[in-house]
Amino acid sequence: EAGVAQSPRYKIIEKRQSVAFWCNPISGHATLYWYQQILGQGPKLLIQFQNNGVVDDSQLPKDRFSAERLKGVDSTLKIQPAKLEDSAVYLCASSLETVTNTQYFGPGTRLTVL
Amino acid sequence: QQQVKQSPQSLIVQKGGIPIINCAYENTAFDYFPWYQQFPGKGPALLIAIRPDVSEKKEGRFTISFNKSAKQFSLHIMDSQPGDSATYFCAAKGTSGSRLTFGEGTQLTVNP
Repeated sequence: EAGVAQSPRYKIIEKRQSVAFWCNPISGHATLYWYQQILGQGPKLLIQFQNNGVVDDSQLPKDRFSAERLKGVDSTLKIQPAKLEDSAVYLCASSLETVTNTQYFGPGTRLTVL
Repeated sequence: QQQVKQSPQSLIVQKGGIPIINCAYENTAFDYFPWYQQFPGKGPALLIAIRPDVSEKKEGRFTISFNKSAKQFSLHIMDSQPGDSATYFCAAKGTSGSRLTFGEGTQLTVNP
């Protein structure tokens, strides 16, 4: 079974630029999550999708972050404009169902904002 | 507001030792407590999980101990190996929704 795929793996941008990350979840997984992991900290949920609908985006900085999940499969997370404090690893995860909530994580995209 | 506090931040043990990582939570509405293992450059991977209706769960060399009244749970790694060197995160899920709240992580080093 293929895991969660993410691209790019690394991205370096200047502050105020925009950036987008892509995620392809495990086939058949209805729930998709985007997390932000700042160096030395645990992952923090940014947004959760159930199929192509948003379930939880309470911790998403909506003035600069946006995400979409078209057709309930792939998802993109965008930051526009980026700030220095957005430097982090952005993790995508997916789960088959939400009861036991076994979330499978991708390798992440390491973003550096200069 | 940090709802899951994890300690220690880092831990060094010798091969064969039993590292113990502790977590404490505040929200009594949490009903699922997983532990994740993360290697450098990789995403976290589920290691073991427990629900509050049991006090202990073992899977191989990994054991979770759960104290509901104290709102604490811990991970024990028996006969630790250098390959166990990684960062370990505890997490908790509320009864409504499926959001995981993670602890700050513990960087474990097992020396040969």
